[in-house]
Amino acid sequence: LAKTTQPISMDSYEGQEVNITCSHNNIATNDYITWYQQFPSQGPRFIIQGYKTKVTNEVASLFIPADRKSSTLSLPRVSLSDTAVYYCLVDPNSGNTPLVFGKGTRLSVIA
Amino acid sequence: DTGVSQDPRHKITKRGQNVTFRCDPISEHNRLYWYRQTLGQGPEFLTYFQNEAQLEKSRLLSDRFSAERPKGSFSTLEIQRTEQGDSAMYLCASSLALYGYTFGSGTRLTVV
Repeated sequence: LAKTTQPISMDSYEGQEVNITCSHNNIATNDYITWYQQFPSQGPRFIIQGYKTKVTNEVASLFIPADRKSSTLSLPRVSLSDTAVYYCLVDPNSGNTPLVFGKGTRLSVIA
Repeated sequence: DTGVSQDPRHKITKRGQNVTFRCDPISEHNRLYWYRQTLGQGPEFLTYFQNEAQLEKSRLLSDRFSAERPKGSFSTLEIQRTEQGDSAMYLCASSLALYGYTFGSGTRLTVV
C-alpha cells in the first residue's frame, strides 16, 4: 500500500476554510484516496473518497491533481465541532486489503 | 440498525486476567475488522473476517489474542493473560466490499 504523509497538526479559527494536504507519491493506478475523521473516544468516521479531480459532499471537498500524488481535504467554514483528527488513506478499494491508518492530522479549531 | 455496537465500552482488568470484547456489525455487512489504537496513534489493524472466515491477521496479534466470528454475525476478540501493554482502545468496523468502513465507538481496555 502507498504510504501517506500529512501534517501532524493544524490550528484554525472558527469560520475559516481549512485545507489539509496529504502526499501519496506511490499511489497505484487502482487506488482511491479516502479521508476519515475521528473525535475523542469514538471510532473513525468516513468523510469522503475520490479517485481524481474534485469530489464534494455535504461535509467536505476533496481535490486530487492529475498526477494523483497528493490530495487536499477542504473543510469550509469550520466550527469548534470540527476539532478532530483527520486521516488520509490510500484505499485499493478491492475489499481484500484492510485500510492502513497513519497518525493523521490533529485539527484544533479556536473560537 | 443503528451502526456497529461494541461491548463493553470500558474494561479495567488486572494483569494476567483474560478479557473478551464483543462487536455487533451492521447486519448486512459481510466484512468485519478489528483495530487497536493507543494514545496519539492511528488505529492499527489486527484482523479481519469475511463472513465467518478469518482472512488476515496482523503480526501484532500475538498468540494471546484470538478472534472469532461464528456464523458470520457478531465477533469476539479475546485477550488471554493480559499485559499492561495491551491497554488501548479496541475498535471494530464493518463494511460491504468496496465501500467505506463503519466503526464502532470502541472498547477501552485498561490493564492495571
